[in-house]
Amino acid sequence: DQQVKQNSPSLSVQEGRISILNCDYTNSMFDYFLWYKKYPAEGPTFLISISSIKDKNEDGRFTVFLNKSAKHLSLHIVPSQPGDSAVYFCAASGMAGNMLTFGGGTRLMVKP
Amino acid sequence: NAGVTQTPKFRVLKTGQSMTLLCAQDMNHEYMYWYRQDPGMGLRLIHYSVGEGTTAKGEVPDGYNVSRLKKQNFLLGLESAAPSQTSVYFCASSYSWSGGGGTDTQYFGPGTRLTVL
Repeated sequence: DQQVKQNSPSLSVQEGRISILNCDYTNSMFDYFLWYKKYPAEGPTFLISISSIKDKNEDGRFTVFLNKSAKHLSLHIVPSQPGDSAVYFCAASGMAGNMLTFGGGTRLMVKP
Repeated sequence: NAGVTQTPKFRVLKTGQSMTLLCAQDMNHEYMYWYRQDPGMGLRLIHYSVGEGTTAKGEVPDGYNVSRLKKQNFLLGLESAAPSQTSVYFCASSYSWSGGGGTDTQYFGPGTRLTVL
């Protein structure tokens, strides 16, 4: 049973608009969350993270929101650019010694 | 500074054949990881290493073996390949532990696409 789920396999957005990628988790012991971005034929690269003591973390055009009661996090990209077209993975970890658990990924397509 | 490199980039095997995937990092990282990525499943941890000479099982270790004889290299072996091992394999490294309790970023290699017929 997947503990981290990204229920939308793909998302298409117009350039300049907001992209919202969602992630749900089931393990209440998770306390650190990350987003990775992956271009074709490349490995994932770290994008942004958030600790469970926060509900928002911002880095330029990227903002991650965490709703612990709903066990839900989202990544907002504003404004979206064609270069943002990639697969986005959310990941979670919790408790010392546990591994990172990744979601299945969402393919974002930003149309010019 | 090449970061994390993986060899080979592509490979086709027949059922029952063996092969070794090589991962190398030049960032002096202690921790190294092997993942497999399957459609809709995200990345799943196969094995990891917390330092030279150490290895540990991840989420999906069956059918794979690993070795970390040198700090900069992490090898993933398939002794008898099966079609279920058709996947894209990623190696990653980090300076400190990236799992629970740790917040260090993992740096990924470009991946190896393996097909087992």
